[in-house]
Amino acid sequence: GEDVEQSLFLSVREGDSSVINCTYTDSSSTYLYWYKQEPGAGLQLLTYIFSNMDMKQDQRLTVLLNKKDKHLSLRIADTQTGDSAIYFCAESMGGSARQLTFGSGTQLTVLP
Amino acid sequence: EAGVVQSPRYKIIEKKQPVAFWCNPISGHNTLYWYRQNLGQGPELLIRYENEEAVDDSQLPKDRFSAERLKGVDSTLKIQPAELGDSAVYLCASSVPGETEAFFGQGTRLTVV
Repeated sequence: GEDVEQSLFLSVREGDSSVINCTYTDSSSTYLYWYKQEPGAGLQLLTYIFSNMDMKQDQRLTVLLNKKDKHLSLRIADTQTGDSAIYFCAESMGGSARQLTFGSGTQLTVLP
Repeated sequence: EAGVVQSPRYKIIEKKQPVAFWCNPISGHNTLYWYRQNLGQGPELLIRYENEEAVDDSQLPKDRFSAERLKGVDSTLKIQPAELGDSAVYLCASSVPGETEAFFGQGTRLTVV
């Protein structure tokens, strides 16, 4: 079955880099996603990576995918207080938004 | 353009009472999803619509939950009767069929007391 796991909490100092990790079990996943959820808000798609890629960079965000170990990470450079939120890793087998399986989320706290 | 709109934002009801949630997806998005997010967990899919047809409702507890999307646009999700364990955030999302990104509403936070 599908299972996506994340660590629950991460605290960093403002200006440092944050690295949020995720492991998944389904080797047939075609897309892997990172969503951000701020308090009282819905989920916002931050970035996604296709399974045949190792890395994707988008401004302050870097996604690394180790398909052999089924490990995904999100690095946020120069973390700001506005980055404090819950970050969800998700996988999709079908390559579209139709079949998303989410992890439990990582609460990122950015300390001043 | 407005995003996915859900109402109400918050709802508190007593157990055994009925409750309904409403969702208006982004214009032109034929695919609509209802997710449930329990406290401290990620969202879990309850039902997915393609236009007015429910194409994946395998995770919907059909004894007490029902959903409809009569004209293929707005959708309602109903729980009757509600149980304490139904307390959660109910998220609606929409997408263009086959697209990678689903857009989420702000959710309805349900508290059953």
